[in-house]
Amino acid sequence: GAGVSQSPSNKVTEKGKDVELRCDPISGHTALYWYRQSLGQGLEFLIYFQGNSAPDKSGLPSDRFSAERTGGSVSTLTIQRTQQEDSAVYLCASSFALAGPGSPTDTQYFGPGTRLTVL
Amino acid sequence: SQKIEQNSEALNIQEGKTATLTCNYTNYSPAYLQWYRQDPGRGPVFLLLIRENEKEKRKERLKVTFDTTLKQSLFHITASQPADSATYLCALDNYGQNFVFGPGTRLSVLP
Repeated sequence: GAGVSQSPSNKVTEKGKDVELRCDPISGHTALYWYRQSLGQGLEFLIYFQGNSAPDKSGLPSDRFSAERTGGSVSTLTIQRTQQEDSAVYLCASSFALAGPGSPTDTQYFGPGTRLTVL
Repeated sequence: SQKIEQNSEALNIQEGKTATLTCNYTNYSPAYLQWYRQDPGRGPVFLLLIRENEKEKRKERLKVTFDTTLKQSLFHITASQPADSATYLCALDNYGQNFVFGPGTRLSVLP
């Protein structure tokens, strides 16, 4: 079946504009993650959703960042009043389930990412 | 605070040799450790998972070790091929709490 898809693949915007990034997870996956990867850097965790539970927003770098997941499927990451330091690749991943007692975080399947450039 | 370190930023080896990548961590007690591969312009792809009570895990030409005393995992690729060239990321997992990726090591296998 189809993997995780993200759109757009590239986004160029001007400083101060708002942007929305979309993630379509694998069907049936209950957990969804957003990461940010700056050039040559590792993955920076932003937020995750698990089913209908309240999302873990602990990784969001500022209140300009928000995310929602509608109907337990598609997720949108919104960045308001973009800054140049927001330029990065934003990766989305989904997994069948989040970890529970005695079990690891399930394998995460990543999308191709959205490359955001803020001029 | 938690800290994860991986090798040097880049590692070059000759085709046919064994590549060894390291993942060291501090201020963390992972129950599991995962390794991912990332090619340029793509998202990471899961390779292997090893549990804290496992010393070693193998999959084809890949071998992972996990030493919770040294707080270190080693990732080996035997009989390396140019197609193995990629960035390899380790990820620490404590039952979903504080799931965190390392910075990655860029491996280049030279023909």
